[in-house]
Amino acid sequence: DGGITQSPKYLFRKEGQNVTLSCEQNLNHDAMYWYRQDPGQGLRLIYYSQIVNDFQKGDIAEGYSVSREKKESFPLTVTSAQKNPTAFYLCASNQGNSPLHFGNGTRLTVT
Amino acid sequence: QQQVKQSPQSLIVQKGGISIINCAYENTAFDYFPWYQQFPGKGPALLIAIRPDVSEKKEGRFTISFNKSAKQFSLHIMDSQPGDSATYFCAARTVEYGNKLVFGAGTILRVKS
Repeated sequence: DGGITQSPKYLFRKEGQNVTLSCEQNLNHDAMYWYRQDPGQGLRLIYYSQIVNDFQKGDIAEGYSVSREKKESFPLTVTSAQKNPTAFYLCASNQGNSPLHFGNGTRLTVT
Repeated sequence: QQQVKQSPQSLIVQKGGISIINCAYENTAFDYFPWYQQFPGKGPALLIAIRPDVSEKKEGRFTISFNKSAKQFSLHIMDSQPGDSATYFCAARTVEYGNKLVFGAGTILRVKS
């Protein structure tokens, strides 16, 4: 079955540590996205990539970094510069104007 | 301008009732309006979508009503079931924003049996 795999489902880190969230897709989609979900705030775009080796900042990119070395992979690093990193992180992909297809998310807790 | 305002924040409906969630926007360049459904611990999934050239779209128990002049659109869930309990997000897209989706804040729907 085609889809997006996000791992791990739950992640715990101490404040001041960088952490990388994995996102892999086998849908052969060119575009991939990272969203952050907080209660009452909807989904906010962190970074997106429309093609391999290229990515752009979204609305809330500060404190995050990404890479897109392979079409199927779009890892997100939450750095120690992110002031409020505890959240539910969603990866998505699409092709052209097709609907976004989401993974099942990673819940990150930083204490 | 790149905002979609969604209400209510939460909604409780009796089984068999009608659930109504509303969204409003300002940017008239938005040309695609999807609704996503999200169950706890899962990613959102596309439920139904509409373009501004039609006023209504129905798929089973789910209907989008679109009012272009008022810049509002709404999701109606007829004969609501406990299995419909989820978070619902409206969204909008425009080429001005690189065809990326702008999401509303979400509505938590609970259908009581």
